[in-house]
Amino acid sequence: EDQVTQSPEALRLQEGESSSLNCSYTVSGLRGLFWYRQDPGKGPEFLFTLYSAGEEKEKERLKATLTKKESFLHITAPKPEDSATYLCAVQPDSWGKLQFGAGTQVVVTP
Amino acid sequence: GAGVSQSPSNKVTEKGKDVELRCDPISGHTALYWYRQRLGQGLEFLIYFQGNSAPDKSGLPSDRFSAERTGESVSTLTIQRTQQEDSAVYLCASSLKGRSGGFGYGYTFGSGTRLTVV
Repeated sequence: EDQVTQSPEALRLQEGESSSLNCSYTVSGLRGLFWYRQDPGKGPEFLFTLYSAGEEKEKERLKATLTKKESFLHITAPKPEDSATYLCAVQPDSWGKLQFGAGTQVVVTP
Repeated sequence: GAGVSQSPSNKVTEKGKDVELRCDPISGHTALYWYRQRLGQGLEFLIYFQGNSAPDKSGLPSDRFSAERTGESVSTLTIQRTQQEDSAVYLCASSLKGRSGGFGYGYTFGSGTRLTVV
């Protein structure tokens, strides 16, 4: 059965304190791994898609990396506006539906 | 519109009543999805529509749940005889299917309908 596990569940950072979020997955075949950001009361917002081990993508202070078993979302010198829940999802061989992890809630304090 | 629109944004209903939730996807997006998010939990897949293909209903939790889509536009999720455990945020998303068949463009989500069953 496809499974996505995110850790930690929650992360509290001081502004400027870099850290990483982990997404480990077991899936029958991976077509893509997705990262989303979700703010309270809103739908998830797409950040990145990664397709193969070794791939990296960056957007502002965020950098996503992928290995055969896990993905990391690195937050460099975070700001309070980076506070959100970060969701990881995998697209297995079957087209369409994404399998989501439970998310990591990040709080960045000034 | 520019984004995925869901209505209503909030719905409070009595246990046992039927509810309909509506989703207007981004124009031109061939794929449409419904997910459920319980408080403090991740997104749970419900149903997926892709063009004129038969929908993937594998995530619907019971026969009280059903969904329809008109062509490549509006979708309605119906929950019959609501129960308290149906209380959640129901999220709709749409996407383009890439040439390779993947969804590398990612989904665009609506803001959801918060359903409370009392």
